[in-house]
Amino acid sequence: DADVTQTPRNRITKTGKRIMLECSQTKGHDRMYWYRQDPGLGLRLIYYSFDVKDINKGEISDGYSVSRQAQAKFSLSLESAIPNQTALYFCATSDFPGQETQYFGPGTRLLVL
Amino acid sequence: GENVEQHPSTLSVQEGDSAVIKCTYSDSASNYFPWYKQELGKGPQLIIDIRSNVGEKKDQRIAVTLNKTAKHFSLHITETQPEDSAVYFCAASKGGSYIPTFGRGTSLIVHP
Repeated sequence: DADVTQTPRNRITKTGKRIMLECSQTKGHDRMYWYRQDPGLGLRLIYYSFDVKDINKGEISDGYSVSRQAQAKFSLSLESAIPNQTALYFCATSDFPGQETQYFGPGTRLLVL
Repeated sequence: GENVEQHPSTLSVQEGDSAVIKCTYSDSASNYFPWYKQELGKGPQLIIDIRSNVGEKKDQRIAVTLNKTAKHFSLHITETQPEDSAVYFCAASKGGSYIPTFGRGTSLIVHP
């Protein structure tokens, strides 16, 4: 969905490096989410934000941090990347109340060597 | 917290056949059940959803059924086509936060 963009789309980094994944949306939604997708494990929630001043941990937040710079921007950081953080990362938005549908970005494929 | 189990993990069918993907959930308070389709190289996209006050919902070739007593819901795709090949995720959420818990996904392969 072009309304939710993620940069970079692909990233290779080394163990111990700090990296940032960025998400921007033009849908005007207050709620934003970061998920991680691993083969056979589905989508797991890392962090979510209901508005600019509200940040919440998901089920797998260890090793990650986030920043909500504006309503439209939500960044995910890996403070010190490790190989088991190799995964496909998705940003999503939703517009609650009124609509629980999640709108996903195209994903960032991260490889940690 | 909520736990969503999804089966099968892989489903292979011939074009024109029907496909059924099943999910169970653990939290009886869950009341919203969406299904997402993820095509190769893309993010998941909502294809159909159902709320707990409805037992079945249809949209052309796809339908979802919900059994609240048994806490399971299913996605039915009829007359499958090659473009239905994708990964499908079920999810469950409840009022308040509406944060979804996703199943592990089903890879559907439709052979021409």
